[in-house]
Amino acid sequence: EAGVTQFPSHSVIEKGQTVTLRCDPISGHDNLYWYRRVMGKEIKFLLHFVKESKQDESGMPNNRFLAERTGGTYSTLKVQPAELEDSGVYFCASSHGSLELFFGEGSRLTVL
Amino acid sequence: AQTVTQSQPEMSVQEAETVTLSCTYDTSENNYYLFWYKQPPSRQMILVIRQEAYKQQNATENRFSVNFQKAAKSFSLKISDSQLGDTAMYFCASLNYGGSQGNLIFGKGTKLSVKP
Repeated sequence: EAGVTQFPSHSVIEKGQTVTLRCDPISGHDNLYWYRRVMGKEIKFLLHFVKESKQDESGMPNNRFLAERTGGTYSTLKVQPAELEDSGVYFCASSHGSLELFFGEGSRLTVL
Repeated sequence: AQTVTQSQPEMSVQEAETVTLSCTYDTSENNYYLFWYKQPPSRQMILVIRQEAYKQQNATENRFSVNFQKAAKSFSLKISDSQLGDTAMYFCASLNYGGSQGNLIFGKGTKLSVKP
């Protein structure tokens, strides 16, 4: 069974550009989560989808971040326009109603 | 605000020895869960062990065990008979019972190196 996959693994962009990160959860997992780890800091919760609905988006930093999960399958996280402080590793995780979250390897974003 | 503190940024241990990673947390809730996650180099983060706060008995998973001290808000992880494959970043995390599922509060992590 395939795990949670994230793409791209690493993205380098200029300040002001747009980047879209994608997450494919484990098949059948209704719950999908986005987290972010800025260098040297804690991993922070961004938001939680249940199927295609946003259950909790309290961790989204500002309106430059847009997360979607059309059809309740894969999810995208778009940052537009990117700022220097957006650099970090973005993790996606999925679960099937239990407390065990299955994480992807993360997408590293570098904003220059 | 809830916080999780891991006071050891890096640790090392010799293969086959025992190591303990520290974690303290701060919460006003009475019911919550605590987790240890492991992220090997260039790999996914995986759940190592979970503890429900209402359970007094310390959780164990093979070579991994915790020392849960609720009054002290301490949740350390002990790895026995360390193996080279235990080399990884270890994250301690908390989750309020009944709160938003998945809204984990993480510590900054401890980088563990197991040396041959």
